Amino acid sequence: NAGVMQNPRHLVRRRGQEARLRCSPMKGHSHVYWYRQLPEEGLKFMVYLQKENIIDESGMPKERFSAEFPKEGPSILRIQQVVRGDSAAYFCASSTGFNQPQHFGDGTRLSIL
Amino acid sequence: AQSVTQLGSHVSVSEGALVLLRCNYSSSVPPYLFWYVQYPNQGLQLLLKYTSAATLVKGINGFEAEFKKSETSFHLTKPSAHMSDAAEYFCAVSEGIQGAQKLVFGQGTRLTINP
Repeated sequence: NAGVMQNPRHLVRRRGQEARLRCSPMKGHSHVYWYRQLPEEGLKFMVYLQKENIIDESGMPKERFSAEFPKEGPSILRIQQVVRGDSAAYFCASSTGFNQPQHFGDGTRLSIL
Repeated sequence: AQSVTQLGSHVSVSEGALVLLRCNYSSSVPPYLFWYVQYPNQGLQLLLKYTSAATLVKGINGFEAEFKKSETSFHLTKPSAHMSDAAEYFCAVSEGIQGAQKLVFGQGTRLTINP
């Protein structure tokens, strides 16, 4: 049974470029969550999606960040015009529904040069 | 908004000793509580969860946690530490209205095991 798959594991971008992070949930999971972990900090919620719908984006920065979970394919977290402060580990989690345990991927470590 | 406080960013114990990692939460409704473990360069792995059933919850790898409503605590324990327990541990509470859920994490506690 495949777990939550995130790719790439490591991503290096220069300031001003775009970063695209992908997440394929566990089989049978229709709820996807994105979290960001800054160095020496805990995880902070960013966005919660179900297929083709954004349910809660209260943790997303107002600008440059967007997320989608299309009918077909993985969920995408997109960061436009990256800045140094975007350097972090980005984790995706999936679950089967409300208050069910969230299962995490191994994360994408984004480094901005 | 709910919040989670983990007392002690670093805890060090000897191999074979008791492990106690502290977690206090604030919540206006009965909470769903979780403990996760994170090994270096990996994602979070669920250790155990509390969902308003038994107050003493047993998890994987010999860990357990006790929900104490009067103390708003959900401390994680293991009777005898093993070297492989060295990792970072996160306590989390779920927050959100029906159908819209997110996890609120504590700052984490890094557990070191001394031989």
